[in-house]
Amino acid sequence: GAGVSQSPSNKVTEKGKDVELRCDPISGHTALYWYRQSLGQGLEFLIYFQGNSAPDKSGLPSDRFSAERTGGSVSTLTIQRTQQEDSAVYLCASSLMAGVNTDTQYFGPGTRLTVL
Amino acid sequence: AQTVTQSQPEMSVQEAETVTLSCTYDTSESNYYLFWYKQPPSRQMILVIRQEAYKQQNATENRFSVNFQKAAKSFSLKISDSQLGDTAMYFCAFMKPEGFVFGPGTRLSVLP
Repeated sequence: GAGVSQSPSNKVTEKGKDVELRCDPISGHTALYWYRQSLGQGLEFLIYFQGNSAPDKSGLPSDRFSAERTGGSVSTLTIQRTQQEDSAVYLCASSLMAGVNTDTQYFGPGTRLTVL
Repeated sequence: AQTVTQSQPEMSVQEAETVTLSCTYDTSESNYYLFWYKQPPSRQMILVIRQEAYKQQNATENRFSVNFQKAAKSFSLKISDSQLGDTAMYFCAFMKPEGFVFGPGTRLSVLP
């Protein structure tokens, strides 16, 4: 596709349930990022994938959060046992590769997660 | 289609001087939010400033201010008294209920 796509666009779930958020990066982009924006806050970095290297998980807020990237393309962010404070917009971005002059990030529209 | 354009891929400014980053957007929405984010090498996205589209008054946060021209769909960021720590990628974005649209970013270097 022409841009980064994310699904679903909106997700409403009950506290304690698991959710999966999907990101389709731009074809050929080797770097993929997940961020979240809680209400009134800035974007919070969660995790970063570069090619086949081990992901940088330094931003994941707890062990309930995990992400994988299959075949170097599609990524899934999983939140287990969701809590109300997980409610936020989850953004995915991709870039050609990580590095100066090649790391322009292209963002998807986000998934709005609401935990009741 | 809704788009955000940042026409300056890279800019540089001398420490203590003022620099303006440009941003234009295209939307048919009447109610939306506009943002400027800063991303240093740590990859953490830092909210610099935000503007509600229905407010005519330009937002200001310390050394950062915007020039919001709704009719022209322009949302430029002015950084006064630039500091070395301002070196980063700057993203312009707008948010509507359906999601975010980000610009491609401007790489700003503050030179000593």
